[in-house]
Amino acid sequence: NAGVTQTPKFQVLKTGQSMTLQCAQDMNHEYMSWYRQDPGMGLRLIHYSVGAGITDQGEVPNGYNVSRSTTEDFPLRLLSAAPSQTSVYFCASSLHPTSGRNTQYFGPGTRLTVL
Amino acid sequence: EDQVTQSPEALRLQEGESSSLNCSYTVSGLRGLFWYRQDPGKGPEFLFTLYSAGEEKEKERLKATLTKKESFLHITAPKPEDSATYLCAVQPGMNTGFQKLVFGTGTRLLVSP
Repeated sequence: NAGVTQTPKFQVLKTGQSMTLQCAQDMNHEYMSWYRQDPGMGLRLIHYSVGAGITDQGEVPNGYNVSRSTTEDFPLRLLSAAPSQTSVYFCASSLHPTSGRNTQYFGPGTRLTVL
Repeated sequence: EDQVTQSPEALRLQEGESSSLNCSYTVSGLRGLFWYRQDPGKGPEFLFTLYSAGEEKEKERLKATLTKKESFLHITAPKPEDSATYLCAVQPGMNTGFQKLVFGTGTRLLVSP
């Protein structure tokens, strides 16, 4: 199993540009989520999905869109990048958040810089 | 409001010098408490999940314990390869809180030979 994979590893954007951060998992996990990590702050939830076709907002969703058309993939879209979105982005997945098997496994991250 | 506080922010140990990291939390119904290790430039790596007060889990030189208000990560006879940032997170269990993990800001551990 590759676990949770993310691409790209690094990205530099100009203000106003759009891009998609890719996330995939091969563990047949129902739950997937996106977090951002900023210096001096804990990881914060952006969006999450409890299954294909079902997504919802986390605590910092503004400026980001998600969709989940398959169990395996959960892309994060930045429609118009802003410098405040400079961060490290992590995708995570778990079997199911309300079951006893609710441990979330994280991908390697994407480091995004917006100029 | 759900909150996690980790202490100390940074810890420097000599190889073999045992110590403990603290994670204090306030949460509306605890569904689980998680410890992760994060190396520079990498994603958090899962270590332990604890579900109820009194529970303990061990892995090599690490032992995690849980009470109703805090968790400890005990490191026995650490080695330089244990140097990393250790993250604590809680999963609230009330209302829709179970959809997220609430993270602390981590403890940066440096173990010198």
